[in-house]
Amino acid sequence: AQTVTQSQPEMSVQEAETVTLSCTYDTSESDYYLFWYKQPPSRQMILVIRQEAYKQQNATENRFSVNFQKAAKSFSLKISDSQLGDAAMYFCAPNSRPTGNQFYFGTGTSLTVIP
Amino acid sequence: NAGVTQTPKFQVLKTGQSMTLQCAQDMNHEYMSWYRQDPGMGLRLIHYSVGAGITDQGEVPNGYNVSRSTTEDFPLRLLSAAPSQTSVYFCASSYSRTGTGELFFGEGSRLTVL
Repeated sequence: AQTVTQSQPEMSVQEAETVTLSCTYDTSESDYYLFWYKQPPSRQMILVIRQEAYKQQNATENRFSVNFQKAAKSFSLKISDSQLGDAAMYFCAPNSRPTGNQFYFGTGTSLTVIP
Repeated sequence: NAGVTQTPKFQVLKTGQSMTLQCAQDMNHEYMSWYRQDPGMGLRLIHYSVGAGITDQGEVPNGYNVSRSTTEDFPLRLLSAAPSQTSVYFCASSYSRTGTGELFFGEGSRLTVL
């Protein structure tokens, strides 16, 4: 099984400010994909952003961006201009080949947004 | 669009009882999977399938059984429930069989085993 570490069980951010959630993982593969998922209080898991390991450019989706450091096996999520609706659990999930059909999730970071 | 539908959403069982969690998707996804979510442990893969007639074990398969007779359905069976199986269960599907695509999740099923 792949090891995924989210070292921040809880984080908080002021509304409109920026916050970064960290994720490190352990894989011997060179070709893989990394995902961040959001789980709001409704419990529904939603994809936030996806990064392909072979791409050097960091992925961006509106206010969400990643800082992908392949050599360090680090995949952090930056949320800019935080909004109240960003309050949720965030899970990092790398997926590596050749066992690409097994996702391993981190333990999650609970994000609180302070008005 | 229904997406991924899980039933039931809540269930209470007694130790030793059996039950089936149903999962259906209408996106024609080849890949389907079951996860359990426990406090402080994230999501852990129980079983997965890359197509009808093909299933395989994930990280925590013991005590669970699956089958995949159609592309749409992927039920999870608990043959003899134990308190350790108290958890929230998620079914997820993907258009990618090789891990390149996102997972689409159901709303989850909360199971309590007394």
